[in-house]
Amino acid sequence: DVKVTQSSRYLVKRTGEKVFLECVQDMDHENMFWYRQDPGLGLRLIYFSYDVKMKEKGDIPEGYSVSREKKERFSLILESASTNQTSMYLCATVVGDYEQYFGPGTRLTVT
Amino acid sequence: AQSVSQHNHHVILSEAASLELGCNYSYGGTVNLFWYVQYPGQHLQLLLKYFSGDPLVKGIKGFEAEFIKSKFSFNLRKPSVQWSDTAEYFCAAQTGGFKTIFGAGTRLFVKA
Repeated sequence: DVKVTQSSRYLVKRTGEKVFLECVQDMDHENMFWYRQDPGLGLRLIYFSYDVKMKEKGDIPEGYSVSREKKERFSLILESASTNQTSMYLCATVVGDYEQYFGPGTRLTVT
Repeated sequence: AQSVSQHNHHVILSEAASLELGCNYSYGGTVNLFWYVQYPGQHLQLLLKYFSGDPLVKGIKGFEAEFIKSKFSFNLRKPSVQWSDTAEYFCAAQTGGFKTIFGAGTRLFVKA
């Protein structure tokens, strides 16, 4: 069974702080994704990575960066958190026929 | 731009009622289609998928979806819903590589 874990379920940060969200998958998959989920907007792709040190911008990359130093770990970084980045953040990896496996999510609140 | 539209944001049904959730995508080429479900407090998980072949696909828990190419639609159906089907449902389309576009989601509430 594929396992995708995220470092925190809930996180509260202050405006201007640097925030790190970590995601780890245990199946040696190449492709990993970061989404944010907002009511009425569904899931929107922030960044994805198709191999170590390789990354591509998604639909809403502004205000975010990512790091993939090891295959199993994909980090999302908020350089200077803002209140409009309050959201649920989901990490996913791809298995077999393009099916995505999601982590439990991190609910980030920026005050 | 490619997009996925879900017709209803909120649906309320009584147990045993039939369900149909609408999904339309905008893309003229080959597309892979998915329905994902998120039960309260749980991970987002795959309900069913369509890549090619029989346009009527069956998924877990009695759900099915029909791909109608001429209508760019992939509607989700279940003949008789249960209270445990209360969840948020997302339609998604994959048009190239691994990038997937999700709809806004439909929140289903089933009254016991």
